[in-house]
Amino acid sequence: DGGITQSPKYLFRKEGQNVTLSCEQNLNHDAMYWYRQDPGQGLRLIYYSQIVNDFQKGDIAEGYSVSREKKESFPLTVTSAQKNPTAFYLCASIENTEAFFGQGTRLTVV
Amino acid sequence: QKEVEQNSGPLSVPEGAIASLNCTYSDRGSQSFFWYRQYSGKSPELIMSIYSNGDKEDGRFTAQLNKASQYVSLLIRDSQPSDSATYLCAVTSSGTYKYIFGTGTRLKVLA
Repeated sequence: DGGITQSPKYLFRKEGQNVTLSCEQNLNHDAMYWYRQDPGQGLRLIYYSQIVNDFQKGDIAEGYSVSREKKESFPLTVTSAQKNPTAFYLCASIENTEAFFGQGTRLTVV
Repeated sequence: QKEVEQNSGPLSVPEGAIASLNCTYSDRGSQSFFWYRQYSGKSPELIMSIYSNGDKEDGRFTAQLNKASQYVSLLIRDSQPSDSATYLCAVTSSGTYKYIFGTGTRLKVLA
């Protein structure tokens, strides 16, 4: 089955820890995006990448980092510099302007 | 000013009525416009895309675009309780590959 796979589905982070959220796609799409969604809110763009080894900051990149070493993979690291990381994180790939989403990772700080 | 704005709702309509959802955007050069539906706890799914001024119909859904007014809307005819969800407007930004979402409008269809 083609699609976007995010893991884990649920993630708990202690204060001061870095955590990495996985996003893998087998759709052969060039463009991949990371969004953050808070309760009752829309999607806010964290980072996006159009091609391998290249990525751009979105509107709320502070406290996050990404890499794009392979076309299929676009992991997101939530660093300790992100002071309020509890949220629902969505990864998407975009082809012909349509966005395909993974199932999301719900991150909670404990 | 936010790049893409929507009324957060909730918008409540009776079953069988027409639901009208609105979205405004700030970038005059925006090229592509989308409506996504998101059920609680789930990922968004695309329901309509529109690229030129006017109306585009797909089943019970009609998207309307007015670039001069920087306005895009979604009409849902014969609303059903299963249409109850959050509807997100998305816009692609001119000159970049940014894909920007609004805050979403929560729709409740009352049986």
